[in-house]
Amino acid sequence: EAGVAQSPRYKIIEKRQSVAFWCNPISGHATLYWYQQILGQGPKLLIQFQNNGVVDDSQLPKDRFSAERLKGVDSTLKIQPAKLEDSAVYLCASSLITGRTYNEQFFGPGTRLTVL
Amino acid sequence: ELKVEQNPLFLSMQEGKNYTIYCNYSTTSDRLYWYRQDPGKSLESLFVLLSNGAVKQEGRLMASLDTKARLSTLHITAAVHDLSATYFCAGAPPTGSGSRLTFGEGTQLTVNP
Repeated sequence: EAGVAQSPRYKIIEKRQSVAFWCNPISGHATLYWYQQILGQGPKLLIQFQNNGVVDDSQLPKDRFSAERLKGVDSTLKIQPAKLEDSAVYLCASSLITGRTYNEQFFGPGTRLTVL
Repeated sequence: ELKVEQNPLFLSMQEGKNYTIYCNYSTTSDRLYWYRQDPGKSLESLFVLLSNGAVKQEGRLMASLDTKARLSTLHITAAVHDLSATYFCAGAPPTGSGSRLTFGEGTQLTVNP
């Protein structure tokens, strides 16, 4: 079974530029998550989708971050404009279902973003 | 809001020794996860603990959950170099209250020959 795919794996941009990340979850997984992991810290949830609807985006800095999940499969996360403090690894995860049962999340390899 | 704290944050141990990583969480959580992360890699799921008193073991790692004490432990038995990694615990709110995972800061484990 293929895992969660993410691209690009690495990205270097200058502050105030824009950047987009792509995620393809495990086939059949209805729930998709984007996490931000700053160096030396645990991942922090940015946004959670159930199919193509947003379930939780309370920790997403909406003035500069946006995400969408068209057709309930792939997702993109965009930062516009980027700040120095956005330098982090952006992890995408997916799980089968949520709510009624535990939802083991499977993580992709991540995209390492460096903002100069 | 759920808060998760791990200790120690850094652990250097010799091969063959035993040690325990502790994970405390602040509010009710009926699901506790342990993940492993190697440098530059993503998170690998180790254990999912679903009920009070749950104990799971895989090789030299054993995880347990005490929901009354709001404490989970990850015990390492006879450590080997291959266990060197960062270990994260993560809690989730009670079933039906959402599925956001809140991660601890991680414990960076180094096993020395």
